[in-house]
Amino acid sequence: DAKTTQPPSMDCAEGRAANLPCNHSTISGNEYVYWYRQIHSQGPQYIIHGLKNNETNEMASLIITEDRKSSTLILPHATLRDTAVYYCIVRVAVTNNNDMRFGAGTRLTVKP
Amino acid sequence: ETGVTQSPTHLIKTRGQQVTLRCSSQSGHNTVSWYQQALGQGPQFIFQYYREEENGRGNFPPRFSGLQFPNYSSELNVNALELDDSALYLCASTKERGDYGYTFGSGTRLTVV
Repeated sequence: DAKTTQPPSMDCAEGRAANLPCNHSTISGNEYVYWYRQIHSQGPQYIIHGLKNNETNEMASLIITEDRKSSTLILPHATLRDTAVYYCIVRVAVTNNNDMRFGAGTRLTVKP
Repeated sequence: ETGVTQSPTHLIKTRGQQVTLRCSSQSGHNTVSWYQQALGQGPQFIFQYYREEENGRGNFPPRFSGLQFPNYSSELNVNALELDDSALYLCASTKERGDYGYTFGSGTRLTVV
């Protein structure tokens, strides 16, 4: 699976959009981009995933560049409860060695 | 629909002992993965079970072993505990290994003294 690069930390004002970048320059054609977040003392929570098209759900939007070498997770109206570590992961969806590799992630702090 | 439940939530063991951690997968999920998360780090993949068979393994020694039962619940066993095994152990389940997002439990905090 391809490796990802994320900034170690970011701040965002409450009510504003949080844009979390992820670089995955060695991504393969059959690898998806997944985003998870982990709020303190809890297990990671699935947010969204995509292959090449932009995706949106009730939690967030995922923007993937045309060359698929980077992506951005957008939380449109960040709240204090969105403070968490956000992980960007790239992986083949179904494999016989289902290693979902978490990096260090981005620690997002939403401030009042 | 219930989520992923893990037990116990906290555990203290002595170096050299053995431990068994348990996980009940989310209803409708037949795939369970286990992760180890050391303090301040991202989760590290231990292994995955799909329909009661091991479906992949990370870089962990054989003293880390697992089982999946017909109801798709799972156990993680660790023998000969070492101090470095102290971590949060996370269980995650999904449908058919795959394209769907994983649902994680809240984890078992293991402390080895």
